[in-house]
Amino acid sequence: QVQLVESGGGVVQPGTSLTLPCAVSGFTIINYDMHWVRQAPGKGLEWVAVMSYDGINKYYADSVQDRFDISRDGSENRLYLQMNSLTIADTAIYYCARERGRGILDHWGHGALVTVSS
Amino acid sequence: SYVLTQPPSVSEAPGKTATITCGGTNIGSKSVHWYQQKPGQAPVVVIFNDADRPSGIPERFSGSNSGNTASLTISRVEAGDEADYYCQIWESGSAHRVFGGGTKLTVL
Repeated sequence: QVQLVESGGGVVQPGTSLTLPCAVSGFTIINYDMHWVRQAPGKGLEWVAVMSYDGINKYYADSVQDRFDISRDGSENRLYLQMNSLTIADTAIYYCARERGRGILDHWGHGALVTVSS
Repeated sequence: SYVLTQPPSVSEAPGKTATITCGGTNIGSKSVHWYQQKPGQAPVVVIFNDADRPSGIPERFSGSNSGNTASLTISRVEAGDEADYYCQIWESGSAHRVFGGGTKLTVL
């Protein structure tokens, strides 16, 4: 059974950093492109980042480029999103998701809420 | 970057057909995927590659894509279909994945 479980959310101050883990079971993340997608309160979905299955390529939305880093631990089967220089605009539910190919996100976690507030 | 445009809301009565559009420049040349998101839940893919339906998704859900508009059609709309729907593509040039702004389907 495929499961993705995000954790590490919480309330943080502007300018600080936070890392979100996504624990995966039911498949091996090194065989799939893996994503982070976020959703601000009451707003739509925003794609954030992707790591290619081979771990070589990482791509980021313009809004988080140079501040966020996507990574993984293949031995633990975990995906991570390190978020630096957080701003109020980064307040959102963060979902990790698996891509089955051609951009299709076929499995999602339940999400982790990150609130950036002073 | 590539922009996908959806109407903010669509309303339809039970038993009727609801159509949600997704506009983008030459979107017909891309593969479009559709997600359903109910309150408090993660998104679920209901249509992929323009018109394919994952197992477990009712045949009432169908998709099309041509020119500058992709569409999600829900036939015989039910109360349980009330949700937010998002279109999405893979922008091959930048490797970015792009979501439309979402459409709230209200079943009257």
